[in-house]
Amino acid sequence: AQSVTQLDSQVPVFEEAPVELRCNYSSSVSVYLFWYVQYPNQGLQLLLKYLSGSTLVKGINGFEAEFNKSQTSFHLRKPSVHISDTAEYFCAVSYTGRRALTFGSGTRLQVQP
Amino acid sequence: DAEITQSPRHKITETGRQVTLACHQTWNHNNMFWYRQDLGHGLRLIHYSYGVHDTNKGEVSDGYSVSRSNTEDLPLTLESAASSQTSVYFCASSDGGSKETQYFGPGTRLLVL
Repeated sequence: AQSVTQLDSQVPVFEEAPVELRCNYSSSVSVYLFWYVQYPNQGLQLLLKYLSGSTLVKGINGFEAEFNKSQTSFHLRKPSVHISDTAEYFCAVSYTGRRALTFGSGTRLQVQP
Repeated sequence: DAEITQSPRHKITETGRQVTLACHQTWNHNNMFWYRQDLGHGLRLIHYSYGVHDTNKGEVSDGYSVSRSNTEDLPLTLESAASSQTSVYFCASSDGGSKETQYFGPGTRLLVL
């Protein structure tokens, strides 16, 4: 069975500082990896996804993530955060034959002025 | 524009009552999913459907049921509501296989007293 671990439940950061949100997964098969963002009182929306090919994936709002197969990680980064990036971020995986997603427990990013 | 909607957005009910949460999508997607979101657990899969008349159990399906009579709708029924089912419920849809992005509804916040 797959599992997704987001070790940091909360990440406080000052505006314009860089941030990294960590995600590790466990799976015995090749996976597809996703990052979703949830703004307060809203549903989830896709930030970016890794399917194959280049291990560096660029997404919306200046976010990017790097797939590292040897470390089974898919960390999310942004070089300079804004107040508007305050939200909850979820890492998720799927794989061939399973269309449903397995989610991590989420990381709350709190951007302070 | 295509969208996915959920109703009601908020619901208060009593233990033992039957409750149905609606999910409607106009994407014409084959795949539909129900997740519940609880603090510290991220989103967990309740039920899913890959097409009309197809339904499958997810990891936390006890006490829930779904039916798929058309492409657009996947209602979620709590047969006899329990306090442990107090949660935020999200419906999602996607087309094609495991690589595809899931699109989420705005959520239903359910309180079982």
